[in-house]
Amino acid sequence: DQQVKQNSPSLSVQEGRISILNCDYTNSMFDYFLWYKKYPAEGPTFLISISSIKDKNEDGRFTVFLNKSAKHLSLHIVPSQPGDSAVYFCGVNSGYALNFGKGTSLLVTP
Amino acid sequence: DTAVSQTPKYLVTQMGNDKSIKCEQNLGHDTMYWYKQDSKKFLKIMFSYNNKELIINETVPNRFSPKSPDKAHLNLHINSLELGDSAVYFCASSLTMGGGQGKQYFGPGTRLTVT
Repeated sequence: DQQVKQNSPSLSVQEGRISILNCDYTNSMFDYFLWYKKYPAEGPTFLISISSIKDKNEDGRFTVFLNKSAKHLSLHIVPSQPGDSAVYFCGVNSGYALNFGKGTSLLVTP
Repeated sequence: DTAVSQTPKYLVTQMGNDKSIKCEQNLGHDTMYWYKQDSKKFLKIMFSYNNKELIINETVPNRFSPKSPDKAHLNLHINSLELGDSAVYFCASSLTMGGGQGKQYFGPGTRLTVT
């Protein structure tokens, strides 16, 4: 069973605009929710995480929002840059490993 | 210096063969993992190792056998390869089990193709 769902397989955004990637999860017991970024032919790299006791975490152009009542996680990228074009995986830390969604492919066009 | 390295990067082999994928991390981490990304792009945990001990085996067929000779290495041996084993395999490591805030370091992946 999938604990993390990313329902949008792809997203296209113009450079300079905001990119919003969404994620839903099923289990409220996780301590940390996270986003990883993956370029083709490379391994995923950690982008940002948020503790279950917070509702927002910012790191530069990247902000993650956590809505616990809706079991929803989102990543905002402002402003979007062409170098942000990648696959973004939403995930949860089960305490033993990471459980990921299927990923959303973001394309930022000039 | 590469933090998490895997060899080989590409592996093409025939059904029924046995193959190994090697992983090394130079980060001094205690925990290492193997993940599989299948053709549908799902990235799923296969094994978690902490201090050379197996912690998690996520319903992986016993044809897959991880081996950790020391904390810096976690190799994956696959017996009797099947077509469905074709995937990209990622090794990862973290300072603590699960990665604390979820921060793990991934290798570049090994693309296995079984013909």
